[in-house]
Amino acid sequence: NAGVTQTPKFQVLKTGQSMTLQCAQDMNHEYMSWYRQDPGMGLRLIHYSVGAGITDQGEVPNGYNVSRSTTEDFPLRLLSAAPSQTSVYFCASSYGTGIREQYFGPGTRLTVT
Amino acid sequence: SQQGEEDPQALSIQEGENATMNCSYKTSINNLQWYRQNSGRGLVHLILIRSNEREKHSGRLRVTLDTSKKSSSLLITASRAADTASYFCATDARQGGKLIFGQGTELSVKP
Repeated sequence: NAGVTQTPKFQVLKTGQSMTLQCAQDMNHEYMSWYRQDPGMGLRLIHYSVGAGITDQGEVPNGYNVSRSTTEDFPLRLLSAAPSQTSVYFCASSYGTGIREQYFGPGTRLTVT
Repeated sequence: SQQGEEDPQALSIQEGENATMNCSYKTSINNLQWYRQNSGRGLVHLILIRSNEREKHSGRLRVTLDTSKKSSSLLITASRAADTASYFCATDARQGGKLIFGQGTELSVKP
């Protein structure tokens, strides 16, 4: 199993551009989530999903969209990138719809200039 | 605001010593988890303790949970240089499927 994969590893965007961060898992996990990590702030939950077709907002959802059309994929879309979205983004998944051990991807380092 | 807060923010010890990190949270929880993050990497799950449990062990790790004080501690015994990492607690509040992380403790173990 590849586990949780994220692409790209690094990305530089200009202010106002849009892009999609990809996340996929091959463990048939129901629960998937996106976090951003900033220095001194720990991880903050952006959006999460308890199954295909179901998404909900986390702590910091503004400026981001998600969809969950399949169990495997949970892409994160930045609608109009801003310098405040410069961060490291982590995708995670876990078995079942409740909160259990989370498996994290390697992260995407995003810089918005 | 974040649910969990770790204390201390940074901890530096010698190899062989024990390391204790604390986590406080605000609302009732279903469970509390601890994760480790090596520099530049994703997080790795260490241990999960349920709200009806008071203590849990895994190898050199010992986690305690005091729901009356809304706090947890992670003890790493006989630390090694390889334990150098950031450690995060995360809580699953009763009202919904969100796992919220604290700001982390940066542990440095000197050989």
